[in-house]
Amino acid sequence: AQSVTQPDIHITVSEGASLELRCNYSYGATPYLFWYVQSPGQGLQLLLKYFSGDTLVQGIKGFEAEFKRSQSSFNLRKPSVHWSDAAEYFCAVGAGGGGGNKLTFGTGTQLKVEL
Amino acid sequence: EAEVAQSPRYKITEKSQAVAFWCDPISGHATLYWYRQILGQGPELLVQFQDESVVDDSQLPKDRFSAERLKGVDSTLKIQPAELGDSAMYLCASSLGAGETQYFGPGTRLLVL
Repeated sequence: AQSVTQPDIHITVSEGASLELRCNYSYGATPYLFWYVQSPGQGLQLLLKYFSGDTLVQGIKGFEAEFKRSQSSFNLRKPSVHWSDAAEYFCAVGAGGGGGNKLTFGTGTQLKVEL
Repeated sequence: EAEVAQSPRYKITEKSQAVAFWCDPISGHATLYWYRQILGQGPELLVQFQDESVVDDSQLPKDRFSAERLKGVDSTLKIQPAELGDSAMYLCASSLGAGETQYFGPGTRLLVL
Protein backbone atom coordinates (compact mmCIF):
# COMPACT_ATOMS: atom_id res chain seq x y z
CA ALA A 1 0.00 0.00 0.00
CA GLN A 2 1.16 3.50 -0.72
CA SER A 3 2.01 5.88 2.08
CA VAL A 4 3.48 9.33 2.67
CA THR A 5 5.50 10.55 5.62
CA GLN A 6 6.00 14.19 6.44
CA PRO A 7 8.36 14.05 9.41
CA ASP A 8 8.03 17.70 10.42
CA ILE A 9 4.69 18.60 12.00
CA HIS A 10 5.62 22.25 12.52
CA ILE A 11 8.34 24.42 11.00
CA THR A 12 9.10 28.06 11.76
CA VAL A 13 11.24 30.18 9.47
CA SER A 14 12.02 33.87 9.27
CA GLU A 15 10.70 35.85 6.34
CA GLY A 16 13.32 35.89 3.60
CA ALA A 17 14.93 32.66 4.76
CA SER A 18 15.02 29.53 2.65
CA LEU A 19 12.60 26.68 3.22
CA GLU A 20 12.68 22.93 2.77
CA LEU A 21 9.75 20.69 3.68
CA ARG A 22 10.43 16.99 3.74
CA CYS A 23 8.34 14.27 2.17
CA ASN A 24 9.07 10.56 1.96
CA TYR A 25 6.83 8.16 0.13
CA SER A 26 6.31 4.44 -0.19
CA TYR A 27 4.99 3.09 -3.44
CA GLY A 28 5.73 -0.03 -5.43
CA ALA A 29 6.00 1.52 -8.87
CA THR A 30 6.90 4.89 -10.31
CA PRO A 31 5.07 7.35 -8.09
CA TYR A 32 3.04 10.35 -9.07
CA LEU A 33 3.76 13.02 -6.49
CA PHE A 34 2.04 16.22 -5.51
CA TRP A 35 2.39 19.12 -3.11
CA TYR A 36 -0.73 20.98 -2.01
CA VAL A 37 -1.05 24.00 0.28
CA GLN A 38 -3.99 24.70 2.57
CA SER A 39 -4.69 28.04 4.22
CA PRO A 40 -6.78 28.01 7.43
CA GLY A 41 -10.35 26.97 6.75
CA GLN A 42 -9.74 26.62 3.04
CA GLY A 43 -9.46 23.85 0.50
CA LEU A 44 -6.23 22.56 -0.99
CA GLN A 45 -4.38 24.37 -3.75
CA LEU A 46 -2.01 22.48 -6.02
CA LEU A 47 1.55 23.82 -5.84
CA LEU A 48 3.25 21.37 -8.18
CA LYS A 49 3.25 17.81 -9.40
CA TYR A 50 5.68 15.20 -10.67
CA PHE A 51 4.62 12.57 -13.15
CA SER A 52 7.81 11.82 -15.09
CA GLY A 53 10.76 13.48 -16.77
CA ASP A 54 12.88 16.16 -15.16
CA THR A 55 13.21 15.38 -11.49
CA LEU A 56 13.27 19.06 -10.52
CA VAL A 57 9.76 20.43 -10.78
CA GLN A 58 8.79 24.08 -10.72
CA GLY A 59 5.49 25.15 -9.26
CA ILE A 60 3.49 28.23 -8.44
CA LYS A 61 4.44 30.91 -5.92
CA GLY A 62 8.17 30.27 -6.42
CA PHE A 63 8.13 26.72 -5.05
CA GLU A 64 10.07 23.80 -6.47
CA ALA A 65 10.45 20.15 -5.54
CA GLU A 66 12.98 17.49 -6.38
CA PHE A 67 12.15 13.84 -6.89
CA LYS A 68 14.89 11.53 -5.61
CA ARG A 69 14.06 7.93 -6.33
CA SER A 70 17.04 6.56 -4.38
CA GLN A 71 15.83 8.32 -1.24
CA SER A 72 12.10 7.92 -1.90
CA SER A 73 11.79 11.64 -1.30
CA PHE A 74 10.02 14.60 -2.86
CA ASN A 75 11.08 17.60 -0.79
CA LEU A 76 9.56 21.02 -1.34
CA ARG A 77 11.82 24.08 -1.41
CA LYS A 78 11.58 27.83 -1.68
CA PRO A 79 14.64 30.10 -1.70
CA SER A 80 13.02 33.05 0.09
CA VAL A 81 9.87 32.68 2.18
CA HIS A 82 7.19 35.38 2.32
CA TRP A 83 4.85 35.95 5.25
CA SER A 84 1.94 34.91 3.03
CA ASP A 85 3.44 31.43 2.71
CA ALA A 86 2.32 30.60 6.24
CA ALA A 87 -0.08 27.67 5.79
CA GLU A 88 -0.22 23.90 5.97
CA TYR A 89 1.54 21.90 3.29
CA PHE A 90 0.57 18.41 2.22
CA CYS A 91 2.55 15.94 0.17
CA ALA A 92 0.57 13.26 -1.66
CA VAL A 93 1.27 10.20 -3.77
CA GLY A 94 -1.10 9.02 -6.47
CA ALA A 95 -1.69 5.59 -7.91
CA GLY A 96 -3.42 4.04 -10.84
CA GLY A 97 -4.14 5.35 -14.29
CA GLY A 98 -2.29 8.59 -14.84
CA GLY A 99 -1.39 8.75 -11.16
CA GLY A 100 -4.12 11.05 -9.97
CA ASN A 101 -6.31 8.30 -8.64
CA LYS A 102 -6.39 7.33 -5.01
CA LEU A 103 -4.31 10.15 -3.63
CA THR A 104 -2.73 9.30 -0.30
CA PHE A 105 -1.79 12.33 1.73
CA GLY A 106 0.75 12.86 4.45
CA THR A 107 -0.28 14.37 7.77
CA GLY A 108 0.93 17.80 6.72
CA THR A 109 3.54 20.32 7.84
CA GLN A 110 2.39 23.55 9.43
CA LEU A 111 4.59 26.45 8.34
CA LYS A 112 4.90 29.54 10.48
CA VAL A 113 6.72 32.59 9.16
CA GLU A 114 8.28 35.03 11.59
CA LEU A 115 8.49 38.63 10.47
CA GLU B 1 -10.46 30.62 -13.34
CA ALA B 2 -12.99 27.82 -12.85
CA GLU B 3 -13.31 26.48 -9.33
CA VAL B 4 -14.98 23.69 -7.46
CA ALA B 5 -17.94 25.02 -5.49
CA GLN B 6 -19.14 23.58 -2.18
CA SER B 7 -21.96 24.47 0.17
CA PRO B 8 -22.52 25.06 2.93
CA ARG B 9 -19.12 26.25 4.09
CA TYR B 10 -19.96 25.54 7.72
CA LYS B 11 -22.52 23.26 9.34
CA ILE B 12 -23.30 22.68 12.98
CA THR B 13 -25.63 19.84 13.83
CA GLU B 14 -26.57 17.62 16.72
CA LYS B 15 -25.72 13.97 16.77
CA SER B 16 -28.35 11.69 15.25
CA GLN B 17 -29.43 14.42 12.84
CA ALA B 18 -29.06 14.19 9.07
CA VAL B 19 -26.70 16.49 7.15
CA ALA B 20 -26.01 16.96 3.46
CA PHE B 21 -23.20 18.62 1.57
CA TRP B 22 -23.24 19.76 -2.04
CA CYS B 23 -20.44 19.97 -4.58
CA ASP B 24 -20.36 21.46 -8.07
CA PRO B 25 -17.18 20.43 -9.90
CA ILE B 26 -15.31 22.37 -12.54
CA SER B 27 -17.27 22.28 -15.77
CA GLY B 28 -16.27 19.35 -17.95
CA HIS B 29 -14.64 17.39 -15.17
CA ALA B 30 -15.83 13.82 -15.35
CA THR B 31 -14.28 12.60 -12.12
CA LEU B 32 -15.43 13.79 -8.71
CA TYR B 33 -14.01 12.93 -5.30
CA TRP B 34 -15.20 13.38 -1.72
CA TYR B 35 -12.57 13.48 1.00
CA ARG B 36 -12.79 13.75 4.77
CA GLN B 37 -10.09 15.66 6.63
CA ILE B 38 -9.94 15.28 10.39
CA LEU B 39 -8.22 18.12 12.21
CA GLY B 40 -4.47 17.65 12.16
CA GLN B 41 -4.51 15.02 9.44
CA GLY B 42 -4.37 14.82 5.67
CA PRO B 43 -7.50 14.25 3.59
CA GLU B 44 -8.75 10.69 3.15
CA LEU B 45 -10.77 9.61 0.14
CA LEU B 46 -14.36 8.63 0.89
CA VAL B 47 -15.78 8.13 -2.59
CA GLN B 48 -14.82 8.62 -6.23
CA PHE B 49 -17.25 9.06 -9.13
CA GLN B 50 -16.60 8.68 -12.82
CA ASP B 51 -19.50 10.55 -14.39
CA GLU B 52 -22.52 9.23 -12.45
CA SER B 53 -20.95 5.93 -11.44
CA VAL B 54 -19.15 5.15 -8.20
CA VAL B 55 -15.70 3.73 -8.93
CA ASP B 56 -14.35 3.60 -5.39
CA ASP B 57 -16.27 3.80 -2.14
CA SER B 58 -14.16 1.39 -0.16
CA GLN B 59 -13.57 3.91 2.65
CA LEU B 60 -17.13 5.22 2.82
CA PRO B 61 -18.96 4.17 6.04
CA LYS B 62 -21.97 2.91 4.18
CA ASP B 63 -24.12 2.38 7.24
CA ARG B 64 -24.47 6.12 7.64
CA PHE B 65 -22.89 7.83 4.62
CA SER B 66 -24.27 8.00 1.11
CA ALA B 67 -23.18 9.86 -1.99
CA GLU B 68 -24.78 10.45 -5.33
CA ARG B 69 -24.03 12.16 -8.60
CA LEU B 70 -27.25 11.56 -10.46
CA LYS B 71 -26.59 13.46 -13.69
CA GLY B 72 -22.85 13.16 -13.63
CA VAL B 73 -22.36 16.80 -12.74
CA ASP B 74 -22.95 18.00 -9.18
CA SER B 75 -22.90 15.68 -6.21
CA THR B 76 -24.36 15.34 -2.73
CA LEU B 77 -22.81 13.63 0.28
CA LYS B 78 -25.19 12.73 3.10
CA ILE B 79 -24.65 11.57 6.65
CA GLN B 80 -27.55 10.03 8.58
CA PRO B 81 -27.36 9.89 11.51
CA ALA B 82 -24.40 12.11 12.30
CA GLU B 83 -22.06 11.06 15.09
CA LEU B 84 -19.62 13.10 17.16
CA GLY B 85 -16.69 11.50 15.31
CA ASP B 86 -17.96 12.86 12.00
CA SER B 87 -16.78 16.34 12.92
CA ALA B 88 -14.29 17.16 10.18
CA MET B 89 -13.72 19.10 6.98
CA TYR B 90 -15.39 17.52 3.96
CA LEU B 91 -13.57 18.34 0.74
CA CYS B 92 -14.75 17.87 -2.81
CA ALA B 93 -12.32 17.64 -5.71
CA SER B 94 -12.69 17.14 -9.42
CA SER B 95 -10.49 16.20 -12.35
CA LEU B 96 -10.87 15.98 -16.10
CA GLY B 97 -10.67 12.24 -15.89
CA ALA B 98 -9.52 9.46 -13.66
CA GLY B 99 -5.85 9.88 -13.04
CA GLU B 100 -5.71 13.56 -13.92
CA THR B 101 -4.76 16.30 -11.48
CA GLN B 102 -7.36 16.91 -8.80
CA TYR B 103 -8.61 20.41 -7.98
CA PHE B 104 -10.18 21.01 -4.59
CA GLY B 105 -13.08 23.11 -3.41
CA PRO B 106 -13.05 25.23 -0.21
CA GLY B 107 -14.61 22.46 1.87
CA THR B 108 -17.49 22.16 4.32
CA ARG B 109 -16.53 22.22 7.97
CA LEU B 110 -18.92 20.04 10.00
CA LEU B 111 -19.28 20.20 13.76
CA VAL B 112 -21.43 17.57 15.43
CA LEU B 113 -22.56 18.41 18.96
